[in-house]
Amino acid sequence: GAGVSQSPSNKVTEKGKDVELRCDPISGHTALYWYRQSLGQGLEFLIYFQGNSAPDKSGLPSDRFSAERTGGSVSTLTIQRTQQEDSAVYLCASSPDSGSPYEQYFGPGTRLTVT
Amino acid sequence: EDKVVQSPLSLVVHEGDTVTLNCSYEVTNFRSLLWYKQEKKAPTFLFMLTSSGIEKKSGRLSSILDKKELFSILNITATQTGDSAVYLCAVEAGDSGGSNYKLTFGKGTLLTVNP
Repeated sequence: GAGVSQSPSNKVTEKGKDVELRCDPISGHTALYWYRQSLGQGLEFLIYFQGNSAPDKSGLPSDRFSAERTGGSVSTLTIQRTQQEDSAVYLCASSPDSGSPYEQYFGPGTRLTVT
Repeated sequence: EDKVVQSPLSLVVHEGDTVTLNCSYEVTNFRSLLWYKQEKKAPTFLFMLTSSGIEKKSGRLSSILDKKELFSILNITATQTGDSAVYLCAVEAGDSGGSNYKLTFGKGTLLTVNP
């Protein structure tokens, strides 16, 4: 059985460009989480989905960040007009039950570098 | 393939008990090991460990890293019900130049502290 996959694994982009990060959760997992890990810092929650809806968007750092999930499966995180401070590893995780973060399976991450 | 294994998967204790959570890893180009506490959604950063044998302490929590045996432990003394959470271990790996940076998480230990 495949785990959580993310693409691309690495992305280098110029400041001001838009980027789209993709997450494929484990099949059947209803909850999906996006996090950001900046080098040497703690894990920062961005947003989570229960099915296709996002009950909690409080972690999105600015209105340049948005995310959607379709069909209760694949999710995309979009960052518009990227800034250098957006450089980080973006992690996606899925869980069979959003009621508890237990059994949260993480993907390998997308390393975003904004030059 | 980088691997982080946490044990036990779950643990139930009574208030006042002392617990030890384990994290073992196999990664290429180890940089640091991180511990997080996760309750509702966003994991909270606890410790970052980079050097062997140096204990990090914060209140009732402490952690130590053994880079020779490739493991870390997280100790919680005099547990309280508020310590109930999932404790995540993650290992940061990559070369010194900052490329090929990768964060690998364990699946977590679910700690339940009963009154």
